[in-house]
Amino acid sequence: DTAVSQTPKYLVTQMGNDKSIKCEQNLGHDTMYWYKQDSKKFLKIMFSYNNKELIINETVPNRFSPKSPDKAHLNLHINSLELGDSAVYFCASSQGGNAFFGQGTRLTVV
Amino acid sequence: GIQVEQSPPDLILQEGANSTLRCNFSDSVNNLQWFHQNPWGQLINLFYIPSGTKQNGRLSATTVATERYSLLYISSSQTTDSGVYFCAVVHSYGKLTFGQGTILTVHP
Repeated sequence: DTAVSQTPKYLVTQMGNDKSIKCEQNLGHDTMYWYKQDSKKFLKIMFSYNNKELIINETVPNRFSPKSPDKAHLNLHINSLELGDSAVYFCASSQGGNAFFGQGTRLTVV
Repeated sequence: GIQVEQSPPDLILQEGANSTLRCNFSDSVNNLQWFHQNPWGQLINLFYIPSGTKQNGRLSATTVATERYSLLYISSSQTTDSGVYFCAVVHSYGKLTFGQGTILTVHP
């Protein structure tokens, strides 16, 4: 009965590869997000979708492309992975600003 | 943009002790949340608190929006309280801006 679930939990890949992270929420929320947590634990927003429409796009390289097929899903595709992309990526959903997070995906680029 | 500052950055306690974590923010916000990131990396939603005081077991939170701060109280701390505590302010489109976190270590 996980409210916000993302897969995979761990992802190890080589530089230059393309990878995707999937996220699904069963809370019925209208808004979903991707956040990035760096090695110093700092959390920063990347994207936000409301009812499948992109509403926030922070200064993220265009190698990162979010896709929302419906309001319960928000996937993140990353092209041409670089060493600096190594981080923990969190998906979240919210209604009225009250956000709930997935368990995170630890991405390691080697 | 809005600034969010948490203090202290680190806190070490013996089991059973009480503590107060503080979050200051630089501008008016729609709301504020407190999260606990446990040692397994999960971000757990503790409180959604625009103003006033809320309690949940041994934890309580108070937000004074007019003075731009929030406090998280942990009473009778347990080793399972260890982890990183984040406050995050909620503003445009539900966007969260996080503080840098307080690392709490509770020793048995």
